[in-house]
Amino acid sequence: AQRVTQPEKLLSVFKGAPVELKCNYSYSGSPELFWYVQYSRQRLQLLLRHISRESIKGFTADLNKGETSFHLKKPFAQEEDSAMYYCALRGGGYQKVTFGTGTKLQVIP
Amino acid sequence: NAGVMQNPRHLVRRRGQEARLRCSPMKGHSHVYWYRQLPEEGLKFMVYLQKENIIDESGMPKERFSAEFPKEGPSILRIQQVVRGDSAAYFCASSAGTDEFFGPGTRLTVL
Repeated sequence: AQRVTQPEKLLSVFKGAPVELKCNYSYSGSPELFWYVQYSRQRLQLLLRHISRESIKGFTADLNKGETSFHLKKPFAQEEDSAMYYCALRGGGYQKVTFGTGTKLQVIP
Repeated sequence: NAGVMQNPRHLVRRRGQEARLRCSPMKGHSHVYWYRQLPEEGLKFMVYLQKENIIDESGMPKERFSAEFPKEGPSILRIQQVVRGDSAAYFCASSAGTDEFFGPGTRLTVL
């Protein structure tokens, strides 16, 4: 079974402060991990995936297989980062995507 | 490319009625996924379809819910005899086999 855990429902940080959104997963094989973002009144969209090791809008996430984590980080939060963030996992081959419950990031001006 | 379209965006039904939710995938996408988001909960996978085939319906409730993706036309998620607990946001996503692109969702309210 695959499971994604996002322990924080809400994370409030001040503008300019570092951000870390936590994500832990449970999966027996080699998963694909993703972060999705949903801005207010917009549709869910892919932010980044661990395979491409990219940085999008200043966000990065490193897959830590030892800790089974895929935390999302940004060194300096911006007001426009305020949104819902979902961590997601897909197993090898075709597998359905399993989402975490989401973390609402609130950046305080 | 208009992106994934869902309609209606808001749907109100009384208990016992039927709800039909439509999803038009992005052009060129033959894979469609349906998710449900209950209040205060994350997205829960419901069903994965390819044209005319149900690939994975492990997240679908056993009764009252069905989904189809015909050769022509949108994918339909059908909920018969709706109950208050069906009130949720229903999201559709499509892919060409890799990344999933999400629609804006349909918010179903059962009175």
